[in-house]
Amino acid sequence: GAVVSQHPSRVICKSGTSVKIECRSLDFQATTMFWYRQFPKQSLMLMATSNEGSKATYEQGVEKDKFLINHASLTLSTLTVTSAHPEDSSFYICSARGVVGNTIYFGEGSWLTVV
Amino acid sequence: QKEVEQNSGPLSVPEGAIASLNCTYSDRVSQSFFWYRQYSGKSPELIMSIYSNGDKEDGRFTAQLNKASQYVSLLIRDSQPSDSATYLCAVNGGTGGFKTIFGAGTRLFVKA
Repeated sequence: GAVVSQHPSRVICKSGTSVKIECRSLDFQATTMFWYRQFPKQSLMLMATSNEGSKATYEQGVEKDKFLINHASLTLSTLTVTSAHPEDSSFYICSARGVVGNTIYFGEGSWLTVV
Repeated sequence: QKEVEQNSGPLSVPEGAIASLNCTYSDRVSQSFFWYRQYSGKSPELIMSIYSNGDKEDGRFTAQLNKASQYVSLLIRDSQPSDSATYLCAVNGGTGGFKTIFGAGTRLFVKA
């Protein structure tokens, strides 16, 4: 199956700083990637859809100026959490749509802790 | 009505039993259906995909799709404690185009 790699797996940052999370499709080209957030014991929440070469589409209630998404190539999308606050601490997961059957493949996820 | 509905559980079954996980969806024109398994603290991993009515078997897993009833299920035979996880149902290809809609997941607990 398709492989999606996410980095870093864990990051701790100070309140007010920015953190960048990378999502790469390793063995296929992904024109569309997705970013999710998941709080403990809660379901996945889609934050935004990242389209290669164009602006991301954000879900209602997600601040686009706080969660910057860049999808500059067919294999890389990045999520930057700007001016992070403790309430941004969460599990961030990216995914990419594969070629066959619109299957979604997930990265390993990134645990963000803002202190 | 949620677009993809699952019973949150937990569903508890004894080791060796069959676990049956159910999912209903609201968009009648949906085309692709998926089951993911998510262990606590980890990201979801794909278990099965199914696109046409009927059953699809892969090892201990069987996915069942009934488009007329807008219903998809996952059966896990010979359940093991290692199967304890949250199972997410996902649906794609409806009126939303390529957008994949996830259910909230069903927590499965397999007792040793």
